[in-house]
Amino acid sequence: NAGVTQTPKFRVLKTGQSMTLLCAQDMNHEYMYWYRQDPGMGLRLIHYSVGEGTTAKGEVPDGYNVSRLKKQNFLLGLESAAPSQTSVYFCASRGTGEAYEQYFGPGTRLTVT
Amino acid sequence: GENVEQHPSTLSVQEGDSAVIKCTYSDSASNYFPWYKQELGKRPQLIIDIRSNVGEKKDQRIAVTLNKTAKHFSLHITETQPEDSAVYFCAAPQRGSTLGRLYFGRGTQLTVWP
Repeated sequence: NAGVTQTPKFRVLKTGQSMTLLCAQDMNHEYMYWYRQDPGMGLRLIHYSVGEGTTAKGEVPDGYNVSRLKKQNFLLGLESAAPSQTSVYFCASRGTGEAYEQYFGPGTRLTVT
Repeated sequence: GENVEQHPSTLSVQEGDSAVIKCTYSDSASNYFPWYKQELGKRPQLIIDIRSNVGEKKDQRIAVTLNKTAKHFSLHITETQPEDSAVYFCAAPQRGSTLGRLYFGRGTQLTVWP
C-alpha cells in the first residue's frame, strides 16, 4: 500500500495564478483532510470531507476550494494564489469508528511570489 | 471548537535525560488525545494516543498521562536519544469526534544533545 500520496511535492506560483493539489489514499478511508503548516502555527485545518461527495470548512478555508468526487481522492484548489498562501500543505486520511489515527501524506511545499 | 495549548514551544535536553511536553484543552467532552512526531522535512506520524477512560499509557520510552479534571495531558520521553529530536504535536478532537476533526497544538521543537 502506498498509503497517502500528494502531488506535486513542490510548486512555485506567481500571485494570481491558480493550481490544484491532489491527495490520494489507498486505504479505503472515509475521512480526508487538508492542513496547512506554517512556522510556529502547528497544523491548521483548511477543509475536510467525511465521505465521497461531501466537503466542509475547517479553521482557515478562505481562498481555497476542495472536491471529493471519488472516495480515494481529495483535491485542494487555489483559484487566485496570494503570498499569504505560501506554506506546506499536508493531506491526511482516517477510517471510521474507533480508528482515530490520521495518516498524513508527504506534504507539498508551495511558494507564492 | 476546541482550544489546544501546548508548552513549551522549544525544549533542549541532554541525551539520557527526560523530556516532558504539556497540553491543555478546553472541551470537557473531548475523549481522545493523540501525540504526533514530525521529523525535519517529514510528515507527522502518530506515536502514542490515550482515550479518556485511562489516566496513563506507556510504550517503551514514551508515555502519556491524562488529567481530565484539570483538562491537561502530557507526553513523557525517558532516556532521550538524538533520534528523538523532532517537532511534537498534541491534539484533541472536536466535541463528540464523530466528524473526526482534530485541533492541534502549535508544536514543541525538541532537541536532544549528544
